[in-house]
Amino acid sequence: KQEVTQIPAALSVPEGENLVLNCSFTDSAIYNLQWFRQDPGKGLTSLLLIQSSQREQTSGRLNASLDKSSGRSTLYIAASQPGDSATYLCAVRPRAGGTSYGKLTFGQGTILTVHP
Amino acid sequence: KAGVTQTPRYLIKTRGQQVTLSCSPISGHRSVSWYQQTPGQGLQFLFEYFSETQRNKGNFPGRFSGRQFSNSRSEMNVSTLELGDSALYLCASSLAGDAAYNEQFFGPGTRLTVL
Repeated sequence: KQEVTQIPAALSVPEGENLVLNCSFTDSAIYNLQWFRQDPGKGLTSLLLIQSSQREQTSGRLNASLDKSSGRSTLYIAASQPGDSATYLCAVRPRAGGTSYGKLTFGQGTILTVHP
Repeated sequence: KAGVTQTPRYLIKTRGQQVTLSCSPISGHRSVSWYQQTPGQGLQFLFEYFSETQRNKGNFPGRFSGRQFSNSRSEMNVSTLELGDSALYLCASSLAGDAAYNEQFFGPGTRLTVL
């Protein structure tokens, strides 16, 4: 059974800092890994998707890496801003035939607070 | 292009009642998945529909059911509501299939409170 763990559970940093969020998964048989952002009481916003054959993806100040063999991904946020405050979730799509359709397995998330 | 929409946004029900939630995917997306989010369990997969067929199902009791229409819109139904069903229900859409590039896009969710 796939398990996804995110460390740290919460992080508080001053504005302007570069930071790294970590995600690990137990089963390396995945199609892809997605990073999401969730604001309180809201839905999920997709940030980056990394296919299993890729090593990293970049979007603006965000960079996500994937090391499938070790079951790890990191989300790097450069020059953090108060508007980045949210919960960040990683999710993996299992490569398991019919049982993988539409299914993402999520970590518990990292609550990020960026203070001015 | 419009995103995933969910209605209603908020619902209050009492134990024993039933509820129907609706999800309209992004235009052109044929796969719709449903998730339940609670503070204790996090995000858990309920089921996935593609071309009006349920292709995958999570570990939820039979009180949770769903369907998909020919226009890809989907509904989920929860019968005989229990207090523990209080949660944020999220719908996600994607193009189709199992391809590695398939990205899921989520709606704003329906907040269900069971009293």
